[in-house]
Amino acid sequence: GIQVEQSPPDLILQEGANSTLRCNFSDSVNNLQWFHQNPWGQLINLFYIPSGTKQNGRLSATTVATERYSLLYISSSQTTDSGVYFCAVRRGTGNQFYFGTGTSLTVIP
Amino acid sequence: EAQVTQNPRYLITVTGKKLTVTCSQNMNHEYMSWYRQDPGLGLRQIYYSMNVEVTDKGDVPEGYKVSRKEKRNFPLILESPSPNQTSLYFCASSLYWGAGGYTFGSGTRLTVV
Repeated sequence: GIQVEQSPPDLILQEGANSTLRCNFSDSVNNLQWFHQNPWGQLINLFYIPSGTKQNGRLSATTVATERYSLLYISSSQTTDSGVYFCAVRRGTGNQFYFGTGTSLTVIP
Repeated sequence: EAQVTQNPRYLITVTGKKLTVTCSQNMNHEYMSWYRQDPGLGLRQIYYSMNVEVTDKGDVPEGYKVSRKEKRNFPLILESPSPNQTSLYFCASSLYWGAGGYTFGSGTRLTVV
């Protein structure tokens, strides 16, 4: 399969701070997504971003496919941003999705 | 409302008793998939389906079966559950296999005793 590594594994932020989460992958991909799993376990799709940059409110993401990494930026963090952030990729030659082990974010008031 | 509906949300069962977890989507999505989530292992793909009557194994298919007789439904079947299948299960769908973002169901927490 493809290796997906996320860093950092854990992150604690003061409300209002900014952060950058990283996802490295070991092979070329044609599909990359970022997800947020809230403290109640629900998984929400944040971005579908196989390449380029997208923004949605306080969140933005950039994927540099040629260098095999993606970044998720969270600005002006809020307590509701707490949870686990996953990236998931699909290799260009296959149909399976592979998830990283996630970054656990805690935002404290 | 566009959504993926899983049932049940919680299930406790005994070893060997066949069970089915249902998954239904109302978005006319072609691609559907099942995952299990375990502490320290993240989400791992069990089975996926690119369209009606087209299914394939993911990373951890042993002990599971699926079927895709209609576009909207993709049930997960455990013929003879064992304790190592205790996990949190998610169904997901996307418009088609080639691209697009996933929509996840709310999850099914299964305990096999």
